[in-house]
Amino acid sequence: QQPVQSPQAVILREGEDAVINCSSSKALYSVHWYRQKHGEAPVFLMILLKGGEQKGHEKISASFNEKKQQSSLYLTASQLSYSGTYFCGTDSGSARQLTFGSGTQLTVLP
Amino acid sequence: EAGVVQSPRYKIIEKKQPVAFWCNPISGHNTLYWYLQNLGQGPELLIRYENEEAVDDSQLPKDRFSAERLKGVDSTLKIQPAELGDSAVYLCASSPLPGSEQFFGPGTRLTVL
Repeated sequence: QQPVQSPQAVILREGEDAVINCSSSKALYSVHWYRQKHGEAPVFLMILLKGGEQKGHEKISASFNEKKQQSSLYLTASQLSYSGTYFCGTDSGSARQLTFGSGTQLTVLP
Repeated sequence: EAGVVQSPRYKIIEKKQPVAFWCNPISGHNTLYWYLQNLGQGPELLIRYENEEAVDDSQLPKDRFSAERLKGVDSTLKIQPAELGDSAVYLCASSPLPGSEQFFGPGTRLTVL
């Protein structure tokens, strides 16, 4: 079952914040976040493991609520380089492989 | 450190023709994945290898798709015969362990005419 991402698209001005959500109908072992720029390969951002931990990567952080089977990606003080499509990938644990959402297209304008 | 290498980067073929994609994962990565990505969608897993063993090929359309990973390093994905609906980007990824972060190659963009 593919996770559901929201919103589908968001447009920001440089310096603004954004939140991208990922929701699954299945119990999750981990959630991965990737960013893909147009015509390029997806690039790994972070993994969140079962346990509700929050992780950070510069001004990008994420949380994982295993009870709600949801993860959120937080982008603070957006930079132009943050533009791209963000995918969450969910791992239910049994197969140890990812099912990706359909992505959230983020555009940061000057 | 070299990343995941894929070739060719682009391929245009006519329907019913065969096509093959090649992937060289990051050295030491035992886990290799082939994904298909349609425009505006996330990657969809086709097959996962642990070393030379295909541990999950349930999403691979076996009537026309085949894959191999001889010696547990390079991998080849083949389509024969190709159909119009196969037009997509085929991504290869590798990871050091099952379930750990994945490193993606640049992909092969296939166009079937």
